[in-house]
Amino acid sequence: AQSVTQLGSHVSVSEGALVLLRCNYSSSVPPYLFWYVQYPNQGLQLLLKYTSAATLVKGINGFEAEFKKSETSFHLTKPSAHMSDAAEYFCAVSGMKTSYDKVIFGPGTSLSVIP
Amino acid sequence: DAGVIQSPRHEVTEMGQEVTLRCKPISGHNSLFWYRQTMMRGLELLIYFNNNVPIDDSGMPEDRFSAKMPNASFSTLKIQPSEPRDSAVYFCASSPMGGPYNEQFFGPGTRLTVL
Repeated sequence: AQSVTQLGSHVSVSEGALVLLRCNYSSSVPPYLFWYVQYPNQGLQLLLKYTSAATLVKGINGFEAEFKKSETSFHLTKPSAHMSDAAEYFCAVSGMKTSYDKVIFGPGTSLSVIP
Repeated sequence: DAGVIQSPRHEVTEMGQEVTLRCKPISGHNSLFWYRQTMMRGLELLIYFNNNVPIDDSGMPEDRFSAKMPNASFSTLKIQPSEPRDSAVYFCASSPMGGPYNEQFFGPGTRLTVL
């Protein structure tokens, strides 16, 4: 079974500062890992995904995440926060076992960007 | 290119009434997912279909909930009778294939309020 924890339900950063959103996963099989973003009153959209290729994954809007198997982590970073990054961010995990494995979403982290 | 379409966007109903939520997935996608999002429980997968067949409905909360996918371009989620605790945002998502590594494309959601 898979599960996801996200440390910090709310994170505030200043505009231009580093963004770091933490995600740890649990999986009994090699995982697929995802970060999704949800802007107010919208559905989720994919930022990036890890599928066992490169451990450093680059996504849209300048975000990237690094898969660290030893730490079971997949933290999301962006060097310089922009006001438009304010949103809810969800880490998600799925197993590579079968084509019907579900994607399990974490509880989300709300990111605020202070001008 | 149209994304996932959900209707209605907002629904307010009284306890005991039947509610039907509708979803049109992206053309060519053969996996469809229904999620529920609340502050208390986060994002929960209710059911997902592959090639119009329900694969996993273990997330459906109880018999009051039912979902159908009569063809590749339409799905419904029905709640009968509705209760105040069903108030939530319901998302439909579709994916090109059933594999967990594939991106899910979310609709804008239906905000349901049961009085």
